[in-house]
Amino acid sequence: QVQLVQSGSELKKSGASVKVSCKASGYTFTTYGINWVRHAPGQGLEWMGWINTNIGNPTYAQGFTGRFVFSLDTSVSTTYLQISSLKPEDTAVYYCARGTAFDYWGQGTLVTVSS
Amino acid sequence: SYELTQPPSVSVSPGQTARITCSADALPKQYAYWYQQKPGQAPVLVIYKDTERPSGIPERFSGSSSGTTVTLTISGVQAEDEADYYCQSADSSGPYHVFGTGTRVTVL
Repeated sequence: QVQLVQSGSELKKSGASVKVSCKASGYTFTTYGINWVRHAPGQGLEWMGWINTNIGNPTYAQGFTGRFVFSLDTSVSTTYLQISSLKPEDTAVYYCARGTAFDYWGQGTLVTVSS
Repeated sequence: SYELTQPPSVSVSPGQTARITCSADALPKQYAYWYQQKPGQAPVLVIYKDTERPSGIPERFSGSSSGTTVTLTISGVQAEDEADYYCQSADSSGPYHVFGTGTRVTVL
């Protein structure tokens, strides 16, 4: 069965970096792109962008350029979200989701940034 | 930028019908998708390509489309349907996705 399994919760200080992983299984990894979605406390879902798992090309949504980087390792069917220069307002649950339909989602990774 | 507008909340009694609209601010509209999210859980796809229902999703969930507005209908609402619902679509000018503002469905 299709699964996206994300890495565990992170507690970071302002200015630090964090790398969240999303490991896919149950399908051919390069057939579907992977999206990243942010869910900040009390807010709605926000699309951050996606990475083409076939050629590794990332696309970033407005507001998620510069400090946010998507990458992947096809040998282990895993995509990564790295956030640098963390700010308290980056505190959120980050999800990965498969393809145009977002038909499968990871369980979410809580990133907490303290000042 | 492309925006999708939903009502903040919908309240419905058990057994009644809940309708959630999602309005796009521009034409043409791409396919819409709907997600159910319960507290502390990841979203779940309940409708894709405007009207299609994934396997395992109850038949009481249906989708429709008219002009630049899509609607999620929950017929015969049950207590377990209480959740936040989000629409999602893509900007036709590029490979950019956007989520609607979200609607909280409360079962009275």
